[in-house]
Amino acid sequence: EVQLLESGGGLVQPGGSLRLSCAASGFTFSSYAVTWVRQAPGKGLEWVSGISTVGVGTYYADSVKGRFTISRDNSKNTLFLQMNSLRAEDSAVYYCAKDYFESSPYPFYFDNWGRGTLVTVSS
Amino acid sequence: QSALTQPPSASGSPGQSVTISCTGTSSDVGNYNYVSWYQQHPGKAPKLMIYEVYKRPSGVPDRFSGSKSGNTASLTVSGLQAEDEADYYCSSYAGSNTLVFGGGTKLTVL
Repeated sequence: EVQLLESGGGLVQPGGSLRLSCAASGFTFSSYAVTWVRQAPGKGLEWVSGISTVGVGTYYADSVKGRFTISRDNSKNTLFLQMNSLRAEDSAVYYCAKDYFESSPYPFYFDNWGRGTLVTVSS
Repeated sequence: QSALTQPPSASGSPGQSVTISCTGTSSDVGNYNYVSWYQQHPGKAPKLMIYEVYKRPSGVPDRFSGSKSGNTASLTVSGLQAEDEADYYCSSYAGSNTLVFGGGTKLTVL
């Protein structure tokens, strides 16, 4: 069974940093592109960042470019999101999700999602 | 990276059909067939319902269908059932290695 388990969320002050992790199991992690999608309370989904299978390709939404860094450790089946210079508008549940297609060059579709981790940016 | 435009709400009675639209631009929906739809029940993670405009992952009922015309994609749910009541989001590749979601549509089964 595919499982994705996010962690690392919490309360942080504006301008602060957090590092999110997503532990994957039940599939060959290194064969799939993965992504982060966030959802502010009561709001819609927003794509944040994606990464290719071996981490060579990294992709970001304009809203987080230059502040967030996505990475992965295929030896530990773990996806990361380093979030710096956090703003109130970054407050959301952050989901990690797995690409539908194996070895896809880019994560277009997401067939498995974690339960999310809540990030709150507030003073 | 502007969000795709979806109606905030849609509704239908059990057994009826309902169509949800998703309007983008020639830079996203109109230029790529990388359109997908997700269903999200309250407090749950999204579920992939449609990919590549009209294809269904295994396990998704054939009551769900997708299509695209120009800059607008559509999701049709036929034979509405109570469990179809949820939020639905469209998504499209938007070029330059970016994705964009729609604002979401709350589907109510009357």
